[in-house]
Amino acid sequence: DAGVIQSPRHEVTEMGQEVTLRCKPISGHNSLFWYRQTMMRGLELLIYFNNNVPIDDSGMPEDRFSAKMPNASFSTLKIQPSEPRDSAVYFCASSPRTSHTEAFFGQGTRLTVV
Amino acid sequence: AQSVSQHNHHVILSEAASLELGCNYSYGGTVNLFWYVQYPGQHLQLLLKYFSGDPLVKGIKGFEAEFIKSKFSFNLSKPSVQWSDTAEYFCAVNEAVGDMRFGAGTRLTVKP
Repeated sequence: DAGVIQSPRHEVTEMGQEVTLRCKPISGHNSLFWYRQTMMRGLELLIYFNNNVPIDDSGMPEDRFSAKMPNASFSTLKIQPSEPRDSAVYFCASSPRTSHTEAFFGQGTRLTVV
Repeated sequence: AQSVSQHNHHVILSEAASLELGCNYSYGGTVNLFWYVQYPGQHLQLLLKYFSGDPLVKGIKGFEAEFIKSKFSFNLSKPSVQWSDTAEYFCAVNEAVGDMRFGAGTRLTVKP
């Protein structure tokens, strides 16, 4: 398996633009997590899905952020409009959700909003 | 919801020194415990995990962790660090049926 695949790897955008980050989880995994990593805040859980359903989105910073999982093999994290403080590395991770399993991380998307 | 505390933000060691990184969690129920490592510019990778059984867990690259239930702790150790261990280390916890929460991370710098 290719692992968790995220795209793009790097994104530079201007303030106010819409940004869409994409994630393909490992086939057969039914939990998916979006994390944001910054120097100031470390690794924050934004939202996680189980069987394509959002279970906990309490970590989503504000209404400008939205996440979807239309099917088991694809998820998006959208920021609209983007702001410079959204600059961070965004990681997607997936897990089989059987008992006693860890999360497997993608390579991350480094977002820079100028 | 559970929380995870890592006591050290930045640890600097010389090669061959011993390492111990602290991790405490707040949840009192059944939890699964993990340590992940993030090398510079890379994604998080699993070092080791604990679910049940022997509280002393051995992971990759000579790392170990000890689960002490009474102290809600899961500390990571290595008897002799190498320059290549320079990385950020994250402790993580999930409930048996919950999401995974990470500590703030500890940055380890090993001087050659």
